[in-house]
Amino acid sequence: AQSVTQPDIHITVSEGASLELRCNYSYGATPYLFWYVQSPGQGLQLLLKYFSGDTLVQGIKGFEAEFKRSQSSFNLRKPSVHWSDAAEYFCAVGAEDSNYQLIWGAGTKLIIKP
Amino acid sequence: DTEVTQTPKHLVMGMTNKKSLKCEQHMGHRAMYWYKQKAKKPPELMFVYSYEKLSINESVPSRFSPECPNSSLLNLHLHALQPEDSALYLCASSQGRNYEQYFGPGTRLTVT
Repeated sequence: AQSVTQPDIHITVSEGASLELRCNYSYGATPYLFWYVQSPGQGLQLLLKYFSGDTLVQGIKGFEAEFKRSQSSFNLRKPSVHWSDAAEYFCAVGAEDSNYQLIWGAGTKLIIKP
Repeated sequence: DTEVTQTPKHLVMGMTNKKSLKCEQHMGHRAMYWYKQKAKKPPELMFVYSYEKLSINESVPSRFSPECPNSSLLNLHLHALQPEDSALYLCASSQGRNYEQYFGPGTRLTVT
């Protein structure tokens, strides 16, 4: 069955420290991969996307993610977090045969320690 | 510009009321979506319109009725809702089936 796993329900990081949020997927077809961020009570903002090509993708707000096909992973990274990065982060997967539907991870809540 | 707008921002309605949620995008996207999101959960797909035609209905109760008047607008008509329908309702749009989706800020709906 198709699935997306974000193993960490929440992560606490000190301001200025580096960050890595994990995303693993199980999908038969070649996946399209996305990371979204959601601040409390807000909509989802697209951070970055991977469709094909270079497996290291750059996004907005200083985020990057690396697609590793062998590990079925698409982990999100940031070298130095800011207090404003505190939010919920969702990984999502689609594919050519997915007919508009995305498979979503459960989300990871990022908490920033001052 | 990657903006999707939604109105109202908040809505409180009784179980016998009729109300509508509105969504608008001016990115020329041909696919528009309605999602429902409960607290601390990922969004759940409700409906998809492609080229102004309903493409996907994820077995949503008939008390939710979508409408796509034109390629830029999407409405969600609400009638006889239940308290468990209280949630954040998100609209999204994309260029097509295999493109990234852009989300609006959502409407926080409370059913009393």
